[in-house]
Amino acid sequence: EPEVTQTPSHQVTQMGQEVILRCVPISNHLYFYWYRQILGQKVEFLVSFYNNEISEKSEIFDDQFSVERPDGSNFTLKIRSTKLEDSAMYFCASSFVIETQYFGPGTRLLVL
Amino acid sequence: RKEVEQDPGPFNVPEGATVAFNCTYSNSASQSFFWYRQDCRKEPKLLMSVYSSGNEDGRFTAQLNRASQYISLLIRDSKLSDSATYLCVVNRDSSYKLIFGSGTRLLVRP
Repeated sequence: EPEVTQTPSHQVTQMGQEVILRCVPISNHLYFYWYRQILGQKVEFLVSFYNNEISEKSEIFDDQFSVERPDGSNFTLKIRSTKLEDSAMYFCASSFVIETQYFGPGTRLLVL
Repeated sequence: RKEVEQDPGPFNVPEGATVAFNCTYSNSASQSFFWYRQDCRKEPKLLMSVYSSGNEDGRFTAQLNRASQYISLLIRDSKLSDSATYLCVVNRDSSYKLIFGSGTRLLVRP
């Protein structure tokens, strides 16, 4: 069964550093998403990406965040200057139709 | 008011029991409804979509009441492997994002 994959599984970084989280969505999917989950809290939407552009973003997704689909398979989330409060599990998701979204295993980001 | 509200639990039930979870949503523009399950420190996994007519998948039955803005999940004959957090999720019309509830924790004991 096809799956969304994410790398790395864990990332530790210093405050102010840039991080790039990588995802390989399911191959025939058209829509791509990033969500995050702060420890003990609910899953929150960050951004969706369709047809090589951002289709929707939340208020969390400010100027320090960016997304890119640099080739036909990868989908990345960049955080330019990490803050302590960026520590969370970041989930990539993809879908063929908007509603039925499949999640990757996540990258656990710890900002020190 | 939270857009999706769930009882956090935990629901602690013996194997074989029937357990029901409820969820309410506040935005009448909500169009699609789902139950996901999430194991500790893992990703949400789609359990089932929820339709107005109600739907069943094995031991799992989901119901939607649009008038009351209420969604339910019934699990029959609980297994130890059903222990997880169950997430109520909605999607609004013309939106790409899924809106998650905080989840209801289920513990099935031997």
